[in-house]
Amino acid sequence: EVQLVESGGGLVQPGRSLRLSCAASGFTFGDYAMHWVRQAPGKGLKWVSGISWNSANIGYADSVKGRFSISRDNAKSALFLQMNSLRPEDTALYYCVKDSGLITTGGWSDPWGQGTLVTVSS
Amino acid sequence: DIQMTQSPSSLSASVGDRVTITCRASQSISSYLNWYQQKPGKAPKLLIYAASSLQSGVPSRFSGSGSGTDFTLTISSLQPEDFATYYCQQSYRSPQTFGQGTKVEIK
Repeated sequence: EVQLVESGGGLVQPGRSLRLSCAASGFTFGDYAMHWVRQAPGKGLKWVSGISWNSANIGYADSVKGRFSISRDNAKSALFLQMNSLRPEDTALYYCVKDSGLITTGGWSDPWGQGTLVTVSS
Repeated sequence: DIQMTQSPSSLSASVGDRVTITCRASQSISSYLNWYQQKPGKAPKLLIYAASSLQSGVPSRFSGSGSGTDFTLTISSLQPEDFATYYCQQSYRSPQTFGQGTKVEIK
């Protein structure tokens, strides 16, 4: 069974940093692109960042570009999101998502982890 | 960025009703369109991929159609467990983008 388990969320002050992790199991992690998608309380889904199977192709939403950094460790089946200079509008549930293919476009997202909550507030 | 617009934003329907949700892309996305269902407090679940392919394990009352800019998700006979919010997503070009969601409520 494919499983994605996020961790690292919490309450953080504006301007500080947080590092999210996603532990993957049940599939060959290095064969798939991965994404982070977030959902602010009571709002819709918003793609944050994606990374190809070999980390050669990486993309970010404009709202996080220059502040967030995605990475992966295929040997450890782990996905990461380094979030710097956090803002109140970054408050959301962050989902780790497996893509259906090697690259970040052209596929579909399945499955989704249960999410880790990030709250940015003073 | 490619904008995805869903309609309606919400709807009320009864068990057994046929329900149709539409999704329009701001430019052609071929068939790179996916549909997800999200229930309160749960992660989204893939229903339809590549516009019309039914994900394994998803009931056959769900179907998808369309290509280019206009797409449809249809639930042929609404069941109690189908009351949820539905999102479309384009994966044609980065950044992938989602529709704003359609909440299906009990009438």
